[in-house]
Amino acid sequence: TAGITQAPTSQILAAGRSMTLRCTQDMRHNAMYWYRQDLGLGLRLIHYSNTAGTTGKGEVPDGYSVSRANTDDFPLTLASAVPSQTSVYFCASSETTGGGYTFGSGTRLTVV
Amino acid sequence: GQNIDQPTEMTATEGAIVQINCTYQTSGFNGLFWYQQHAGEAPTFLSYNVLDGLEEKGRFSSFLSRSKGYSYLLLKELQMKDSASYLCAVLDSNYQLIWGAGTKLIIKP
Repeated sequence: TAGITQAPTSQILAAGRSMTLRCTQDMRHNAMYWYRQDLGLGLRLIHYSNTAGTTGKGEVPDGYSVSRANTDDFPLTLASAVPSQTSVYFCASSETTGGGYTFGSGTRLTVV
Repeated sequence: GQNIDQPTEMTATEGAIVQINCTYQTSGFNGLFWYQQHAGEAPTFLSYNVLDGLEEKGRFSSFLSRSKGYSYLLLKELQMKDSASYLCAVLDSNYQLIWGAGTKLIIKP
């Protein structure tokens, strides 16, 4: 089934540890995004990539880094996790910048 | 700053009609999206409006007034499966999506 695959589905992480959230799409979409969703705050953009080889900062980039080595993969790395990074993380993609988004099923991360 | 407002929660009865409003103030406008999100799941696309007027798609319709910075999502013949959060999002001048916090819709029998 075409779409976006995120891994892991959920994770409990000790504060100070690093972790990479994986995101892979098979739709050959140019643009990809990482969001976090917290209760009452809605979706907030962490980082984005309009095309392979380029990335940009969103609304809440601090503590996170991304890379876009190819069209399909857009991993999100937490270098040193803190409890405030406890959230649900969604990866999304769109065929073009400004197109409708397709979302992955999300990663529920708890930092303790 | 950029802002999107929608009611936090609404309750409606199965079989009835409900209108979920969204007002926005953004730097530029390149379209407005509505997404549906069931609890514990990813958002899924419902509608896209870029011109003023009403777009109808089955039981769901979405309206846009750019001069008023206003949109609504109209759900007819409500079913229990329509219980979900409904997210309004605006594409700004940089083609970035600005998201509202979502409206949780509760359907009662």
